[in-house]
Amino acid sequence: KQEVTQIPAALSVPEGENLVLNCSFTDSAIYNLQWFRQDPGKGLTSLLLIQSSQREQTSGRLNASLDKSSGRSTLYIAASQPGDSATYLCAVNRGGSNYKLTFGKGTLLTVNP
Amino acid sequence: DAGITQSPRHKVTETGTPVTLRCHQTENHRYMYWYRQDPGHGLRLIHYSYGVKDTDKGEVSDGYSVSRSKTEDFLLTLESATSSQTSVYFCATGLAANTGELFFGEGSRLTVL
Repeated sequence: KQEVTQIPAALSVPEGENLVLNCSFTDSAIYNLQWFRQDPGKGLTSLLLIQSSQREQTSGRLNASLDKSSGRSTLYIAASQPGDSATYLCAVNRGGSNYKLTFGKGTLLTVNP
Repeated sequence: DAGITQSPRHKVTETGTPVTLRCHQTENHRYMYWYRQDPGHGLRLIHYSYGVKDTDKGEVSDGYSVSRSKTEDFLLTLESATSSQTSVYFCATGLAANTGELFFGEGSRLTVL
C-alpha cells in the first residue's frame, strides 16, 4: 500500500526566505506526482504536476523535483511571501486505468511579514 | 481551473438521516472522485467514477454510495448518516487521458449530530 509522508508538518519562515517542502512515498512505481495548495476553508489548487519520466517542473517561484528511485519529491519556493501561507499537499498517482491519488497529510506553511 | 461546483457547501444533519452531496462539473471530464478530509488522516478516497454509470470503491467506502447518471454530475449518498461521517467532502475531476492531473471543488462541510 502506497504511503505518502510530508515533513515538516508545519513550517514558519520570515518573508523573503527560500524554502523546501519534502514529500516521500513508499512505492516508486508511480504515474505522476502532484503538488497542491490549500487555503483555510477552501479546496485544493493544483500547483505543479510531475510525470514519472520527468525530474522537475517549474512555475514562477515554484520548482518541484522528483526522484522516483528514492521515493522523494521536493517543492522549492523562492523568495517567500505572506501570500504563500497555506497548507501544501503532495499526492502520488499510481496510474493504471483510474488515476487515484494517495495524499500526504500536508505541510502548514506560515510566512511572516 | 475546471468548473466544479459542490452542493450543499454546508450541512448539519442528525444521526440516521440520509444525506446526498452533489458534484457538478462543466469540463466534460471523464473521471470524478469523492474524497473526505479529516484532521490526522488527510484526504482519503471514498468512491470514484470512470464514466457514466461506471463507479468503484475507494479506501473508505463503507456507509457511502454513489451514482453517476450523466457525465457532469456525481452524487455521494450517506444512506444513514453517523457522527463518524462528520467531515469535509471534496469532489475532484480529471481527464486522465493525458496528464492525469486532478482538479478539486471547494468542498462540502457536513456535520452529523
